Amino acid sequence: AQSVTQLGSHVSVSEGALVLLRCNYSSSVPPYLFWYVQYPNQGLQLLLKYTTGATLVKGINGFEAEFKKSETSFHLTKPSAHMSDAAEYFCAVSDRRYSTLTFGKGTMLLVSP
Amino acid sequence: GAGVSQSPSNKVTEKGKDVELRCDPISGHTALYWYRQSLGQGLEFLIYFQGNSAPDKSGLPSDRFSAERTGGSVSTLTIQRTQQEDSAVYLCASSLETGNNQPQHFGDGTRLSIL
Repeated sequence: AQSVTQLGSHVSVSEGALVLLRCNYSSSVPPYLFWYVQYPNQGLQLLLKYTTGATLVKGINGFEAEFKKSETSFHLTKPSAHMSDAAEYFCAVSDRRYSTLTFGKGTMLLVSP
Repeated sequence: GAGVSQSPSNKVTEKGKDVELRCDPISGHTALYWYRQSLGQGLEFLIYFQGNSAPDKSGLPSDRFSAERTGGSVSTLTIQRTQQEDSAVYLCASSLETGNNQPQHFGDGTRLSIL
């Protein structure tokens, strides 16, 4: 069984500040890990994914995440927040065989001027 | 190219009625997934298709829910005798194939409201 825990349902940052969204996972097999972003009234857009290999993964819009097996974490970061980053972010873990996704509860990122 | 298309975008219906939600995946994508997004439960997996077959229906919440896929393309999610707890956004996703690192591409969802 797999599960994902996202710490903090809401995170507020100022424009230009560091963004850190936390994700911890539980999986009985080596995981595939994903971050998705959802803008209002839209579907989910893939930001980045970890499958194998390099543990620091770079995604779109300047986001990156680091897979830390010892900490079972996959935190999402961005050095400098932009107003357009305001959205809801979902961390997900995949069953490697079927690729069905198990999502965290989501973190709403609020960016103030 | 075209992304995943879902229709209708919004559906309001009375309790007890049946509803059909449609998903048109990206052309050439053999895998198709249905998820439900609700305030109380977050994002939940419902069912997935590989081609026209559904190897995993474990996420369907009750026997009032069913889904089919024809021609390896369009899928329909049907909810019979709708209940208020069925109110949610139903999201469809497709990928080139199941397994490995194929990313899922999501549609904008159908917002279902049961009165």
